[in-house]
This record gives sequence, C-alpha cells and structure tokens, in this order.
Amino acid sequence: SAVISQKPSRDICQRGTSLTIQCQVDSQVTMMFWYRQQPGQSLTLIATANQGSEATYESGFVIDKFPISRPNLTFSTLTVSNMSPEDSSIYLCSVVGRAGDGYTFGSGTRLTVV
Amino acid sequence: QKEVEQDPGPLSVPEGAIVSLNCTYSNSAFQYFMWYRQYSRKGPELLMYTYSSGNKEDGRFTAQVDKSSKYISLFIRDSQPSDSATYLCAMSVLGAQKLVFGQGTRLTINP
Repeated sequence: SAVISQKPSRDICQRGTSLTIQCQVDSQVTMMFWYRQQPGQSLTLIATANQGSEATYESGFVIDKFPISRPNLTFSTLTVSNMSPEDSSIYLCSVVGRAGDGYTFGSGTRLTVV
Repeated sequence: QKEVEQDPGPLSVPEGAIVSLNCTYSNSAFQYFMWYRQYSRKGPELLMYTYSSGNKEDGRFTAQVDKSSKYISLFIRDSQPSDSATYLCAMSVLGAQKLVFGQGTRLTINP
C-alpha cells in the first residue's frame, strides 16, 4: 500500500492565522482526500483533491476556509484559513490504493488553535 | 439518523477474550466495508477490507458483512494488550470514493 508523509505532525496556532498542511505520497495516485477528526469524534471528509481540477468539497466545507492545492499526482496541501478554536482537530490525508488495498491514511496533523 | 452507527464504548475486556465490534448502516448502496485501527495520536490503519456480504479472515481478525441486515462486525480472537486502540468501521458506495465512518469504539485489553 502507499506510504503517506504528512507535515506538520502538530502545531499550535493563533486565532485568525492560517496553516498549510502538506501530504506527500510515495506513488502516483489519482485522488487524494482530506478528512477532519474533531476531538473524540470520527472522521469527516472535507474534500476530494483531484490533480488538474478544482477540489470537490463536502457539505459544510468551503474553499475559502479550506483551500486545497493538488499540483501533481503525489502531493497535495490543505490550508486551514482564518482559524478559530473550533478548528482544533486532527487533519488527515488519505489515498485510495490498488483494488483490494483500501484507503491509506497519513499520520495526521494535530492542530490546536488558541 | 447517522448513515453509520457504531457503539463508541469504551469496551474493556481481559487478555485472551474474543472481542466483537459492530456497526449498522442505513444506506443500502454501500458495497465496500472496512475496519480501521487507530492508536492514540496516530492515523487510522487499515485492518480489513471486504466487498459485499460474507466473511473474511486474516490471522486473529475476522470481518463479517450481512448486507440484508445492514450490519457488519469485526471479531478479534485471542485479544492482546497491543490490540488496545480505537476501532473504526468505514464504508463506501461502489463507484464513489467517499468513505463514511462510524464513530469508533475505544477498546482496552487488560493484561
């Protein structure tokens, strides 16, 4: 299965600032996904990042708040903009493996907004 | 009603016990079913990946899917303290890529 490197692993940010999270995959993948895991909660899909096209956002998530870049088939970034304490979560990127491999996740970025 | 329901626990059992973790779902279009294990401060790790109804076994783990009842299970035999983690069920619709997760069950195996 694919190996995902996600940076930073954690950060503490001031209210009103922005943080960009990077996701690097060791193989070319068509689709990359960004999830949020709020404290004590399960994972919620933020958006699907396709190379060469605009990201597709889930209900409740907007591009102005969570802009995504996907410059090539192995890399994507998620920016959390104008942060508030409610954005404190773990943010995870994920890719789909070959048939039967399922979905692989990065180790996550633990964000705390103060 | 959530699309996927999972008892959040916590669940605590003695070492060596058989553990049963379960999820129910409401969307009959789900075709792919997964179980993930997540250790504290780590990303989810894929344990089992099944398509449609039936059983799949991998070592001490058995995944079971009953589409007629919209019910999936993960069984852990001879449970070990290293199995202590949060277990998440996830599922997706054939042809779509979005994963829908259950809430996760926190499991503790006591030595």
